[in-house]
Amino acid sequence: KAGVTQTPRYLIKTRGQQVTLSCSPISGHRSVSWYQQTPGQGLQFLFEYFSETQRNKGNFPGRFSGRQFSNSRSEMNVSTLELGDSALYLCASGSGGPTYEQYFGPGTRLTVT
Amino acid sequence: KNEVEQSPQNLTAQEGEFITINCSYSVGISALHWLQQHPGGGIVSLFMLSSGKKKHGRLIATINIQEKHSSLHITASHPRDSAVYICAVGSQGNLIFGKGTKLSVKP
Repeated sequence: KAGVTQTPRYLIKTRGQQVTLSCSPISGHRSVSWYQQTPGQGLQFLFEYFSETQRNKGNFPGRFSGRQFSNSRSEMNVSTLELGDSALYLCASGSGGPTYEQYFGPGTRLTVT
Repeated sequence: KNEVEQSPQNLTAQEGEFITINCSYSVGISALHWLQQHPGGGIVSLFMLSSGKKKHGRLIATINIQEKHSSLHITASHPRDSAVYICAVGSQGNLIFGKGTKLSVKP
């Protein structure tokens, strides 16, 4: 089986712009979770989608949003980018949610200048 | 105080040594994960456990639900084990992460 894929792998954006990141889960997985990793805060849970519905959400502002399509692929959007949004964004797929076994993608490294 | 605490933060070992990384948490959990992250960012799930003990090759993970504590052991450590090891707990649909333990194994 192919693993979790994320595109793009690297991205440079300017403050105030918006960005969309994509995640394709392992075939058959219906849950996709998104995480942000920064040197200061470490790994933090953003949200989880299951069968096209947001099931759980972490403590992030409304600028961070996501969606999941009928084929389980998921996108994450960040609007009005701030310098502090520079981070590694990871998605993970699984048969359940974050409390089940997770398979991580390679991540998208976002730099905001 | 963080909800998930790991110790030590950094660990240097000689090849062949037995290594223990500890994780304590303060919330009710449904499961605990041990993750491995190599330079470059890729994360691999090593274990998910909710009770007892699991073993995979040279890696052993234990959890004590009453004491809210888990340990990850590496037997006969090898330089390829050098990575950041992260403990994460599943609580109320979220994953809460520890800050990680950076392990360096010298040949």
